[in-house]
Amino acid sequence: GQQLNQSPQSMFIQEGEDVSMNCTSSSIFNTWLWYKQDPGEGPVLLIALYKAGELTSNGRLTAQFGITRKDSFLNISASIPSDVGIYFCQGAQKLVFGQGTRLTINP
Amino acid sequence: DGGITQSPKYLFRKEGQNVTLSCEQNLNHDAMYWYRQDPGQGLRLIYYSQIVNDFQKGDIAEGYSVSREKKESFPLTVTSAQKNPTAFYLCASSILAGQANSPLHFGNGTRLTVT
Repeated sequence: GQQLNQSPQSMFIQEGEDVSMNCTSSSIFNTWLWYKQDPGEGPVLLIALYKAGELTSNGRLTAQFGITRKDSFLNISASIPSDVGIYFCQGAQKLVFGQGTRLTINP
Repeated sequence: DGGITQSPKYLFRKEGQNVTLSCEQNLNHDAMYWYRQDPGQGLRLIYYSQIVNDFQKGDIAEGYSVSREKKESFPLTVTSAQKNPTAFYLCASSILAGQANSPLHFGNGTRLTVT
């Protein structure tokens, strides 16, 4: 089955740093979704993108729907300890997820 | 509060035994899904169901079976035919079956260990 290419696979940063991750695919998507998974729990929706070129913010999180509809980006500004977890992208209509980006923050 | 309940949180089984994982939702969602999560491999779709009494295979359905007798419930059976059953299993639901724009709502998972 198809998988999305999500990068980086892991990030080790200092508290207060900004974070960027992205997701790419060979297929076009109509919807991009970003989720966060805390340890031992299920993923929770962070941001939904429905239109090519769309830029959407949710607090310190900003996500963009790539203009080609084949990619999406998630940025986290001024990271804090509770940002630790695994971030997943999803191309909605194919029910596929990226491999995840594991974020670790050093205080 | 509405949500998805998976039980149990941890499950231990001996090799060769079938085991059933429970998933119940009270969100009145049409569609339900089962994903498997292994380290470094993201979420892989096992089965999904768009309506009661109907379900479809996902990317890794071999060794698994499901049923959808009620809208609220979508149990997953891990059979002895599944070669590597030890994993974290996540159940999810969404509002509209096959609707491209419907985000998934996840349960908190069941960690299955088979020895």
